[in-house]
Amino acid sequence: GEDVEQSLFLSVREGDSSVINCTYTDSSSTYLYWYKQEPGAGLQLLTYIFSNMDMKQDQRLTVLLNKKDKHLSLRIADTQTGDSAIYFCAESSSNTGKLIFGQGTTLQVKP
Amino acid sequence: DAGVTQSPTHLIKTRGQQVTLRCSPKSGHDTVSWYQQALGQGPQFIFQYYEEEERQRGNFPDRFSGHQFPNYSSELNVNALLLGDSALYLCASSPWDRPLEQYFGPGTRLTVT
Repeated sequence: GEDVEQSLFLSVREGDSSVINCTYTDSSSTYLYWYKQEPGAGLQLLTYIFSNMDMKQDQRLTVLLNKKDKHLSLRIADTQTGDSAIYFCAESSSNTGKLIFGQGTTLQVKP
Repeated sequence: DAGVTQSPTHLIKTRGQQVTLRCSPKSGHDTVSWYQQALGQGPQFIFQYYEEEERQRGNFPDRFSGHQFPNYSSELNVNALLLGDSALYLCASSPWDRPLEQYFGPGTRLTVT
């Protein structure tokens, strides 16, 4: 079946790098996503990666995909207090875009 | 360019009542998906509408129904509300040429008492 798992909490100091990890079970996953949710808000699409890629970089964000281990990570360089939020990993194996989400990782950035 | 908008922002209903939530997609987007996010959880897919038809459905009972209008806006209806229906309901829209890019609205917080 489809399942996405994430660690629940990560705490870092401002200026450090953050690495948020995610594992998924569906080997037919085609697209893998990272979303950010701030308190009381909807989800903001940060980035996504096709399953035939192993890395994608976008400014301070780097996504790494290990398809063999079904492991996805999001690295945030030079983490700022404004990066404090819940980060959701999601996968889609359907060309219609049904997303399966993990339970979210709360990132706490200490000044 | 407005993003995805949803109304109302908050809603309080009583068990057994019915509720209608509304979503307007981003300009240029023709596909609308609905998700339910319980407190402390990730969003769960309810269903998706394209060309005014339900294209795909998640594991939700028939009490959850929807509609898409010719202008691509959408409604989510929930009948016979249960306490467990209390959640944040999120709408997401996708453009016709990039259906896998989903952009979310701010959500409607539904509380059932």
